[in-house]
Amino acid sequence: DTAVSQTPKYLVTQMGNDKSIKCEQNLGHDTMYWYKQDSKKFLKIMFSYNNKELIINETVPNRFSPKSPDKAHLNLHINSLELGDSAVYFCASSQGGEGGQPQHFGDGTRLSIL
Amino acid sequence: AQSVTQLGSHVSVSEGALVLLRCNYSSSVPPYLFWYVQYPNQGLQLLLKYTSAATLVKGINGFEAEFKKSETSFHLTKPSAHMSDAAEYFCAVRRSGGYQKVTFGTGTKLQVIP
Repeated sequence: DTAVSQTPKYLVTQMGNDKSIKCEQNLGHDTMYWYKQDSKKFLKIMFSYNNKELIINETVPNRFSPKSPDKAHLNLHINSLELGDSAVYFCASSQGGEGGQPQHFGDGTRLSIL
Repeated sequence: AQSVTQLGSHVSVSEGALVLLRCNYSSSVPPYLFWYVQYPNQGLQLLLKYTSAATLVKGINGFEAEFKKSETSFHLTKPSAHMSDAAEYFCAVRRSGGYQKVTFGTGTKLQVIP
């Protein structure tokens, strides 16, 4: 069973569209994250939720809106997609959002904006 | 503030040779340090972590890292490289105390030459 699963794996869409990415973890963790990895492999935190509560909200355009219906799910909705949004988006989870707890990553969603 | 610097965006070694990937950190408080590996089209996987229990940390796949406070370093080593070690490696840091984001380095791509 996949520990952290994201759907879809690939997303190709046109500029201006709205799209969503879903993430689910079956590890029983209470903290989930969204990261953006650009074409140079730079990985940057976007959001983090602990028990459905937003605890980290980096400087991200408000076109990006996360939603955590329960602690096993964290979705990302993106409005009015722009060319610069093309990247790989990773979901991750951990037990606790602090200390030495490692994060478990999904395989990513590759978003391409035409 | 916290940051990590990975020296060398690309490292090439011969199969069987020593692997040394460098990471220096800065943190205003005692940090937690991690090394992750990313294979093509996959998410990041934890190799090892430092949480102040021991300065020499052993991880999976024969990798280890030594925490040196005086040098603010956490270099990753493996005595003998295998072809399967070819991947992107990321050093990461998280400050202690409450919910803190994890900051990733820019990554080092390891090439193993047969």
